Amino acid sequence: GQQVMQIPQYQHVQEGEDFTTYCNSSTTLSNIQWYKQRPGGHPVFLIQLVKSGEVKKQKRLTFQFGEAKKNSSLHITATQTTDVGTYFCAGRSGGSNYKLTFGKGTLLTVNP
Amino acid sequence: GAGVSQSPRYKVAKRGQDVALRCDPISGHVSLFWYQQALGQGPEFLTYFQNEAQLDKSGLPSDRFFAERPEGSVSTLKIQRTQQEDSAVYLCASSSTGSGYTFGSGTRLTVV
Repeated sequence: GQQVMQIPQYQHVQEGEDFTTYCNSSTTLSNIQWYKQRPGGHPVFLIQLVKSGEVKKQKRLTFQFGEAKKNSSLHITATQTTDVGTYFCAGRSGGSNYKLTFGKGTLLTVNP
Repeated sequence: GAGVSQSPRYKVAKRGQDVALRCDPISGHVSLFWYQQALGQGPEFLTYFQNEAQLDKSGLPSDRFFAERPEGSVSTLKIQRTQQEDSAVYLCASSSTGSGYTFGSGTRLTVV
């Protein structure tokens, strides 16, 4: 079945440093979504990418979808303590127009 | 309602006990999903409803797990004869077509 892998598993940064998490799928994706889960919270939808090579920005967050639609990345510029949490990518393959397969997530901690 | 509501928030069950977890999705959302999230892991798909129809139950771990959504709104996930390996957070999510998921706060099930 479809597998979605994320690296790194953990990342600790000093406040103000940049952060990037990478997501790779074993199959070509129709779209990919990113979620953030604060400690003790539930996943919150951030964004969806659909087109090959797509780049979207939300303030300090930049999301990319690979040309082959099998990988994606999330980059945070100048991290803040409010960025702490686990970032999940979740992919939807062409065989399903509803089911999302989540990666294991990258836990980001920020030292003030 | 404004968001996805799940109850109870926490449930402690003795091994062998039956439990029922409730999800009240966002009004008008056709799609409803149940996911299971183990500690430190990403959400794992359990089952999917489109209105009252259960279109995919491929993620249910065993025949002890049963989900229903009889009127196309509120859904119940039932686990019979709970086992320790059932301990996890059970997340419900709803969405409208093509959009991201809105997750509830989850039910943390602990089987003792």
